[in-house]
Amino acid sequence: AQSVTQLGSHVSVSEGALVLLRCNYSSSVPPYLFWYVQYPNQGLQLLLKYTSAATLVKGINGFEAEFKKSETSFHLTKPSAHMSDAAEYFCAVSAYTGGFKTIFGAGTRLFVKA
Amino acid sequence: DSGVTQTPKHLITATGQRVTLRCSPRSGDLSVYWYQQSLDQGLQFLIHYYNGEERAKGNILERFSAQQFPDLHSELNLSSLELGDSALYFCASSRGQGAETQYFGPGTRLLVL
Repeated sequence: AQSVTQLGSHVSVSEGALVLLRCNYSSSVPPYLFWYVQYPNQGLQLLLKYTSAATLVKGINGFEAEFKKSETSFHLTKPSAHMSDAAEYFCAVSAYTGGFKTIFGAGTRLFVKA
Repeated sequence: DSGVTQTPKHLITATGQRVTLRCSPRSGDLSVYWYQQSLDQGLQFLIHYYNGEERAKGNILERFSAQQFPDLHSELNLSSLELGDSALYFCASSRGQGAETQYFGPGTRLLVL
């Protein structure tokens, strides 16, 4: 079975500051890991995904995440926050356990202050 | 626009009723996934279909059922509705199975009164 924990339901940063959203996962088999973003009244959109290739994954809109197996983490970062980054971010894990199930974390709402 | 369409956008119904939510995947996508998003439960995986066959089940209640038709569109049927079923229901699609990027539709907001 797999699970995802996102640390911090709300994160607030100033415009131009570093964004760090934390995600820890648990999986009994090698996982695939994803970060999705959800803007108000919209569906989820993929930011980036890890599928056992390079451990540092670059995504859209300047986001990146690093897979650290020893820490079972997949934290999302962006060097400089923009106002348009304000949204809810979901970390997800997918693994084959008799069928692929994607389990999402509870989400972290990012606020960006001017 | 992800290319995934869901109808209706909003649905208001009463307890005990039955509703059907519809999803059309992106052109060429064979997989359809259903999720339920609510404030207390977050985003919950319900079920996955691939090319008409059920592939994985998540936290889907027995009162709920789904199917994927030969033209690959999918329907989620919710019956004997309860107040707690009020939520946003998302459909997503992907090209194949496995660690594929899922493309999410805009969702159907269900309100049970």
